[in-house]
Amino acid sequence: NAGVTQTPKFQVLKTGQSMTLQCAQDMNHNSMYWYRQDPGMGLRLIYYSASEGTTDKGEVPNGYNVSRLNKREFSLRLESAAPSQTSVYFCASSPLYNQPQHFGDGTRLSIL
Amino acid sequence: RKEVEQDPGPFNVPEGATVAFNCTYSNSASQSFFWYRQDCRKEPKLLMSVYSSGNEDGRFTAQLNRASQYISLLIRDSKLSDSATYLCVVSNNNDMRFGAGTRLTVKP
Repeated sequence: NAGVTQTPKFQVLKTGQSMTLQCAQDMNHNSMYWYRQDPGMGLRLIYYSASEGTTDKGEVPNGYNVSRLNKREFSLRLESAAPSQTSVYFCASSPLYNQPQHFGDGTRLSIL
Repeated sequence: RKEVEQDPGPFNVPEGATVAFNCTYSNSASQSFFWYRQDCRKEPKLLMSVYSSGNEDGRFTAQLNRASQYISLLIRDSKLSDSATYLCVVSNNNDMRFGAGTRLTVKP
């Protein structure tokens, strides 16, 4: 079972470039999430989609946008990358909102 | 004050030891609690949910203390494979917050 699939796994960007991180799940989950993880900070929620057709801001949404393309796919876009956005990004999904989540294996993003 | 706080460790223990981690949370309206495990450079994986009455899964026991607003994880008979970072997760109706994690290293 694929579970939650994220692409790409690694990316290096220059300051000001744009990029979209892709996430897809095959578990028929209703809710999807984007997190970033920085050393000593734990996972912080960027945006989430409680159900298809809805998206909401999390704890650290500034500098990001999301699209819930359909039930399976939830993308994260950086319109103008900044060095402060260097992080590991995780996508996750759960059957319903706030239930235990299944995570993708992450995207390691460096902004120079 | 962070919403969810954990001792970052590291906890270094010998194989076979018993080790316990605590996690405190600030939001008294929190309703759901979980422990996740994260291996180095990997994604977090659900270890166990934490129920009000406490629950056990093999060598792992989770407890909730609502009055003092903390949850705990006890690992008995530690194995080398238990080496990982353990993340405490606290949820209310609005969002889910992760602790920064406690790092455990089990040594031969």
